[in-house]
Amino acid sequence: QVQLQESGPGLVKPSQTLSLTCTVSGGSISNGNYYWSWIRQTAGKGLEWMGHIYSIGGTNYNPSLKSRVTISVDASKNQFSLKLSSVTAADTAVYFCARGIVASLFDKWGRGTLVTVSS
Amino acid sequence: DIQMTQSPSTLSASVGDRVTITCRASQSISDWLAWYQHKAGEAPKLLIYRASTLESGVPSRFSGSGSGTEFTLTISSLQPDDFATYYCQQYNSYSNTFGGGTKVEIK
Repeated sequence: QVQLQESGPGLVKPSQTLSLTCTVSGGSISNGNYYWSWIRQTAGKGLEWMGHIYSIGGTNYNPSLKSRVTISVDASKNQFSLKLSSVTAADTAVYFCARGIVASLFDKWGRGTLVTVSS
Repeated sequence: DIQMTQSPSTLSASVGDRVTITCRASQSISDWLAWYQHKAGEAPKLLIYRASTLESGVPSRFSGSGSGTEFTLTISSLQPDDFATYYCQQYNSYSNTFGGGTKVEIK
């Protein structure tokens, strides 16, 4: 049974870069045609897909965040990561990692981690 | 972007009730629609995809219908485990979008 777990700092200062990691257990991140994704839930905009990295490489990002988002994978650790630069209070959210099948259909999710942007 | 509008935003119901949640898309998405269940502190759970296909392991009291721009999620007989927030999502493209959610509360 594949499980996903987010980790990273719960507090980030404005203008800094938010960095989170998702650890995948119960299966290899390199196997299968999956889209390893980040989704966030903000008070203002609800659930928002941020982007994904395909299991054999290649990324796609939400156009509204594209200039600030980077998603990468470390297959040796069975992890994928999110970096969001130049954060503001509007980036305060619960961040979820998820496994996408058919690109944007998410069949496995992590429990989410709250990140607060504040000085 | 395709906008997804759910109604109601909150629903009060009792165990055994039949519950229906509506989701409308701002343009046609064929049947590229999914429903998720989310309980606070837990991982969201995929319930239905392709508008009406039940994900493996999901109880048969859940059903979905619709195509184009209007969709519904029905719980035929609400159970204690079903009190949660439900989200629809269009996945017609990479730029998928979610509805605002419907919180199903105990009446």
